[in-house]
Amino acid sequence: GAVVSQHPSRVICKSGTSVKIECRSLDFQATTMFWYRQFPKKSLMLMATSNEGSKATYEQGVEKDKFLINHASLTLSTLTVTSAHPEDSSFYICSARRIDIPFGEQYFGPGTRLTVT
Amino acid sequence: GENVEQHPSTLSVQEGDSAVIKCTYSDSASNYFPWYKQELGKRPQLIIDIRSNVGEKKDQRIAVTLNKTAKHFSLHITETQPEDSAVYFCAGRSNAGGTSYGKLTFGQGTILTVHP
Repeated sequence: GAVVSQHPSRVICKSGTSVKIECRSLDFQATTMFWYRQFPKKSLMLMATSNEGSKATYEQGVEKDKFLINHASLTLSTLTVTSAHPEDSSFYICSARRIDIPFGEQYFGPGTRLTVT
Repeated sequence: GENVEQHPSTLSVQEGDSAVIKCTYSDSASNYFPWYKQELGKRPQLIIDIRSNVGEKKDQRIAVTLNKTAKHFSLHITETQPEDSAVYFCAGRSNAGGTSYGKLTFGQGTILTVHP
């Protein structure tokens, strides 16, 4: 149990276009989901915390108008990279905590490799 | 907010040897410390975690120790195998109030290579 999926796993887009990444908790409900960004050979950097039914909380330095996060249900959060540029190319990973274990383990999705050309 | 420092950045050992990775944290309110193994292009996988009410936890070849007073925790892998080769991340999380509430802060990562 406790599986998190992401879609797509890889996406290539042209500069200036927008890309949406979905994060789903498949067998549990999650009030809180997290979005991370990871550059090659680097650590995971938290971008924002997504709470179901409310606005996301962004980390310092993350542009909320560029990285739009929507947490529409207890099993789905989406990250939209708007007007993508080559410097947005990265590995984006989401994670989720179970609603019934609020301070338990975070379950990670498999990641989405975004390449902006 | 929380700051987690991890050392070493790379670690090379012979198969069968032990490997130790160390982390320090800054926020005394942090009370949950997981360790993740990440293979190239894959998701981080939780390998062991420890909470602040425990000083040591062991799971087969893997153990974690926590020193709350010194604010550091360590991962110990014994009898290493080539399949242990990966990047390992430590993390800390505070369940107290403030800007770090409920969020994992990751260390910089350690590239572990186990030579056959």
